[in-house]
Amino acid sequence: DAKTTQPNSMESNEEEPVHLPCNHSTISGTDYIHWYRQLPSQGPEYVIHGLTSNVNNRMASLAIAEDRKSSTLILHRATLRDAAVYYCIHMDSNYQLIWGAGTKLIIKP
Amino acid sequence: DAGVTQSPTHLIKTRGQHVTLRCSPISGHKSVSWYQQVLGQGPQFIFQYYEKEERGRGNFPDRFSARQFPNYSSELNVNALLLGDSALYLCASSLALRGLDGYTFGSGTRLTVV
Repeated sequence: DAKTTQPNSMESNEEEPVHLPCNHSTISGTDYIHWYRQLPSQGPEYVIHGLTSNVNNRMASLAIAEDRKSSTLILHRATLRDAAVYYCIHMDSNYQLIWGAGTKLIIKP
Repeated sequence: DAGVTQSPTHLIKTRGQHVTLRCSPISGHKSVSWYQQVLGQGPQFIFQYYEKEERGRGNFPDRFSARQFPNYSSELNVNALLLGDSALYLCASSLALRGLDGYTFGSGTRLTVV
């Protein structure tokens, strides 16, 4: 099964952009990449997803490498409310989400 | 609009007992998925139901079962509870089977087995 690899934790200053990396070198050509985040004591929250091209929405941007072996979630201006565990996930051929351990994002005021 | 609601929020059970967890999806969502999240780890897929039929099953023992009702709400049942079943159980709903536009998660049921 394909899996994703993320750093355990990252720190960023408030009001600055944050780039969260993810490696998914074994992903198949038709598997989507999804990002969810989980705030303390809450269920995960959908952030963004993509297949081959870069994607933008009101929460974030997703940059997918041309070879699809890695991607980067970009928060353009982090706030304290963005402190959470961010999961880079691939959706397998059965449309199920395969989760890793995620990156804990710490925002410093 | 109400989001995905799960009940109960917390539960303490004894080893060997049985537990039933409940989930109400967002109105209009026909797909319900169940996940187990052990402390410090990402969620693990247990089941997906769509239009009252099982459409996916993760690598969990037969002690775990689920069903979806005509109103699209769902129940997760776990028999013969083990200490290792202690976890946060999450329910997620989506409009379609594939969930490409994102799954909406509830806040979960925290199950403690003693």
